[in-house]
Amino acid sequence: DAMVIQNPRYQVTQFGKPVTLSCSQTLNHNVMYWYQQKSSQAPKLLFHYYDKDFNNEADTPDNFQSRRPNTSFCFLDIRSPGLGDAAMYLCATSRGQGTEAFFGQGTRLTVV
Amino acid sequence: DAKTTQPNSMESNEEEPVHLPCNHSTISGTDYIHWYRQLPSQGPEYVIHGLTSNVNNRMASLAIAEDRKSSTLILHRATLRDAAVYYCILRDVNEKLTFGTGTRLTIIP
Repeated sequence: DAMVIQNPRYQVTQFGKPVTLSCSQTLNHNVMYWYQQKSSQAPKLLFHYYDKDFNNEADTPDNFQSRRPNTSFCFLDIRSPGLGDAAMYLCATSRGQGTEAFFGQGTRLTVV
Repeated sequence: DAKTTQPNSMESNEEEPVHLPCNHSTISGTDYIHWYRQLPSQGPEYVIHGLTSNVNNRMASLAIAEDRKSSTLILHRATLRDAAVYYCILRDVNEKLTFGTGTRLTIIP
């Protein structure tokens, strides 16, 4: 059974139209991550939460925002998607304390 | 942020052991060494992690140098299903998990 669930698997959005990607977990993990992965590149960390503590990477564009309303859910909001934001977006969770991370299958975002 | 350095690509014959190296000369005393792999069109998959001592699990072994500035992921008997990009990552005390460029492993039948 999937433990980190990302919906939808594929998302098409219009240039400049806000879009929200969601991630849920059944593991009750403290830490949640959002990554952006473009073709043939490694995943790039956008931000992560440790419980409610939000950690934004210095080079994450302001266009990307995140919300974590409770332990189980985390959202990635792209306020005005550009063509360059087309990518796979990966969510991951971890119990913390250096333990392993579990990744979802990702949401592939297309901007038209 | 502590960084890792890995070869861009490696090849190995099927059913032979594979040693994937990683250098992390700026590692701090509290950083964990993690390895993940990613198959095409899938999310990364956890392989193994350690702090100071060598580690074994059902997938692989992790050999950590005594000074912790390098480590080696060992796949004992490679199969075609092990073909993937392998990432060596340092996980810091703030739980930050930053990917490097990874090693693309090709298995030759």
